[in-house]
Amino acid sequence: EPEVTQTPSHQVTQMGQEVILRCVPISNHLYFYWYRQILGQKVEFLVSFYNNEISEKSEIFDDQFSVERPDGSNFTLKIRSTKLEDSAMYFCASLRDRGYNEQFFGPGTRLTVL
Amino acid sequence: AQSVAQPEDQVNVAEGNPLTVKCTYSVSGNPYLFWYVQYPNRGLQFLLKYITGDNLVKGSYGFEAEFNKSQTSFHLKKPSALVSDSALYFCAVRDRSGATNKLIFGTGTLLAVQP
Repeated sequence: EPEVTQTPSHQVTQMGQEVILRCVPISNHLYFYWYRQILGQKVEFLVSFYNNEISEKSEIFDDQFSVERPDGSNFTLKIRSTKLEDSAMYFCASLRDRGYNEQFFGPGTRLTVL
Repeated sequence: AQSVAQPEDQVNVAEGNPLTVKCTYSVSGNPYLFWYVQYPNRGLQFLLKYITGDNLVKGSYGFEAEFNKSQTSFHLKKPSALVSDSALYFCAVRDRSGATNKLIFGTGTLLAVQP
């Protein structure tokens, strides 16, 4: 069964450093998402991506964040200058089409900012 | 604004007993509702969804959920709990205000099944 994969599983970085979180969505899916979950809190939407552009972003997704799909398979989230409060689990998700309603989630990347 | 609420942080149940994990929603229009489960150090796994049709929907691992429009609820149920069902359960609603299908999650309920 196809699945969403994410790398790395755990990333430790120093405050102010750039990180790139990588995701490989399911191959025939068209919509892509990043969510995050701060420890002990609920899962929050960050950004959605469709047709090679951002379709919606939350207020969390400020200028420090960017996404791209560089090669038709990978979907990346970049945090330009990490802050302590960026420490969270980051989930990638993909959706086949608007008519297919459930999103499929990857296992997540735990980001720890020191 | 659309939202879901999970009023219980934790639900404790003995193995073999029925379980219910509660969820209520607040949306304009017809809701698209989902349940996901998160096992320790794992991602979110889809359990079931309600889009339209029968109010009782069946999903993975023997779980089912009942959509109740008058009570704006979508409670997750299982007739006989297993220790392996112990996990974090999230209710979610699809945001229909935009074109992105993003999910809005509840705060999660930790289900603990005692042997």
